Amino acid sequence: DAMVIQNPRYQVTQFGKPVTLSCSQTLNHNVMYWYQQKSSQAPKLLFHYYDKDFNNEADTPDNFQSRRPNTSFCFLDIRSPGLGDAAMYLCATSRASGRYEQYFGPGTRLTVT
Amino acid sequence: GENVEQHPSTLSVQEGDSAVIKCTYSDSASNYFPWYKQELGKRPQLIIDIRSNVGEKKDQRIAVTLNKTAKHFSLHITETQPEDSAVYFCAAEEDDKIIFGKGTRLHILP
Repeated sequence: DAMVIQNPRYQVTQFGKPVTLSCSQTLNHNVMYWYQQKSSQAPKLLFHYYDKDFNNEADTPDNFQSRRPNTSFCFLDIRSPGLGDAAMYLCATSRASGRYEQYFGPGTRLTVT
Repeated sequence: GENVEQHPSTLSVQEGDSAVIKCTYSDSASNYFPWYKQELGKRPQLIIDIRSNVGEKKDQRIAVTLNKTAKHFSLHITETQPEDSAVYFCAAEEDDKIIFGKGTRLHILP
């Protein structure tokens, strides 16, 4: 009964080689979030979609982009991964706004070689 | 924008004792305050939340208190058990998103 699914669970990419992470949800939630989490730190919000409206955090590098082609799917594109982009990437969904529980996916562990 | 401070960063308690984690927030417009638990290698999961129209909420061994005037809220875990060992994040809502505290690593000592 997975509700938020992320693929792949582990991704290894080379320095500078574009990579795409995917997230899908079966909850029909309006809001989808992408977080970056490094060891021993809180999840850092990169951006989120409320329906089709894209919201970028001010400190999210231009190297990170996102697409949400429909309600169920959301993608994170890293155009030119650097060593500092190695992290766990978490996708989350919420019914609407920040006043509702966020449901997290299992994450994708990105390694940059 | 909202800023959430969380203390302590690390907490060790004897099994069976209580644990308290405290958070403060800056935006008086925030009305929703969730707590997430993240076990090693797993995703964050909501364990309890509180909205600004109540001062306290309990769920078995877990309770959260909120003081809107002072802009602080706290997580209380009673009769701690080994499975309570994890990182706990407090958060406060801001528009479509939530702002996390930096987290508290809770160790339950045998």
